[in-house]
Amino acid sequence: AQTVTQSQPEMSVQEAETVTLSCTYDTSENNYYLFWYKQPPSRQMILVIRQEAYKQQNATENRFSVNFQKAAKSFSLKISDSQLGDTAMYFCAFKLDKLIFGTGTRLQVFP
Amino acid sequence: NAGVTQTPKFQVLKTGQSMTLQCAQDMNHEYMSWYRQDPGMGLRLIHYSVGAGITDQGEVPNGYNVSRSTTEDFPLRLLSAAPSQTSVYFCASSYSLEGGYTFGSGTRLTVV
Repeated sequence: AQTVTQSQPEMSVQEAETVTLSCTYDTSENNYYLFWYKQPPSRQMILVIRQEAYKQQNATENRFSVNFQKAAKSFSLKISDSQLGDTAMYFCAFKLDKLIFGTGTRLQVFP
Repeated sequence: NAGVTQTPKFQVLKTGQSMTLQCAQDMNHEYMSWYRQDPGMGLRLIHYSVGAGITDQGEVPNGYNVSRSTTEDFPLRLLSAAPSQTSVYFCASSYSLEGGYTFGSGTRLTVV
């Protein structure tokens, strides 16, 4: 069975700084998909970024980028130029036929 | 385009009652899933479907039933509510195996 681990329950960062959220996963499969979702206080789940396992190039979406290390089964999220609106829960997720989530990291961005 | 619609948004049940959480999507997505979210435990998969007529169990299926008679609808049935089922429930859908899921706004369920 696939598992997703987020070892940082809480993190904080000052506005305009950079922060990295960690995620590791376990699978014996070779082709799969990885995601980061954001959940602000509104509770809505928002897709931040997506990575295909067969692509070596790290995905980037504006201020959000990932460091995908397939051999190490690591998928970290880097947020550059942090903004107050980035304050949220962040969930790492792994997908084959179903989407499995980690337990999340609560990120607080302070002025 | 409504996306994924969940009803109701809030519900209080008494122990032993049954109810159905509704989920509908208008994006012609084949993949649909139900999750529950509890503090400190992330989102846990209850049941999922890869197309009409096809469903499978997730991580925490006990006490819940699903069916998928149409592509659009994926209702979640609580057979006999228990306080342990107090949670926030999310329905989500995806167009393909490669795609990310689109989530509904959630249902907060309290069982007393």
